[in-house]
Amino acid sequence: QVQLQESGPGLVKPSETLSLTCTVSGASISSYYWNWIRLSPGKGLEWIGYLSSGGNANYNPSLKGRVAISADTSKNQFSLTLTSMTTADTAIYYCASQLILRGVPQYLQSWGQGTLVTVSS
Amino acid sequence: EVVMTQSPATLSVSPGERVTLSCRASQTISISLAWYQQKPGQAPRLLIYAASTRATGIPDRFSGSGSGTEFSLTINNLQSEDFGVYYCQQYNKWPPYTFGQGTKLEIK
Repeated sequence: QVQLQESGPGLVKPSETLSLTCTVSGASISSYYWNWIRLSPGKGLEWIGYLSSGGNANYNPSLKGRVAISADTSKNQFSLTLTSMTTADTAIYYCASQLILRGVPQYLQSWGQGTLVTVSS
Repeated sequence: EVVMTQSPATLSVSPGERVTLSCRASQTISISLAWYQQKPGQAPRLLIYAASTRATGIPDRFSGSGSGTEFSLTINNLQSEDFGVYYCQQYNKWPPYTFGQGTKLEIK
């Protein structure tokens, strides 16, 4: 069973950069695809992006170049960077593993507990 | 972008009853549809994938159906632990993957 745990700052100032880390246990970071999703009152659940097992990333176009996802295979972790934070980015951020079937990404199989990020000065 | 629309927004149901939640996609997505349950303070939990396949450990009182643009999740013999918010998600056309706005299930 894949287990995931998010970590990072709970408070970020407007215009600053958010950095979150997801620590994976029970699976190698070289397997599956690794996703970030967020939940906010205004937008509900919003997919942010994924990092494939091959190291390729795919992002939500709505985030317009502000987002990057990377991995540290030595630590079995992957990370989210979101620049130019605004109050609209206040949300609970989740990391999740995505099953791959015959090379095609499928559903989100396991999720972390989530971490609340508040954007405020 | 595929827009997912769930209905109703809120349901209040008594234990033992049967409830059906609906999810509609703005474009055809075959059976690439998952359902998740989320309780306050907890991670979303995968219930159903490929529109009708129960995830590991999910009781058989949960069932999913549909294809194309119309999908439903039925819970038979509702239990008190089934309260929470239920989300559907399409994984057929991306980016982006998209979710419905959720149906909040309240137990009477």
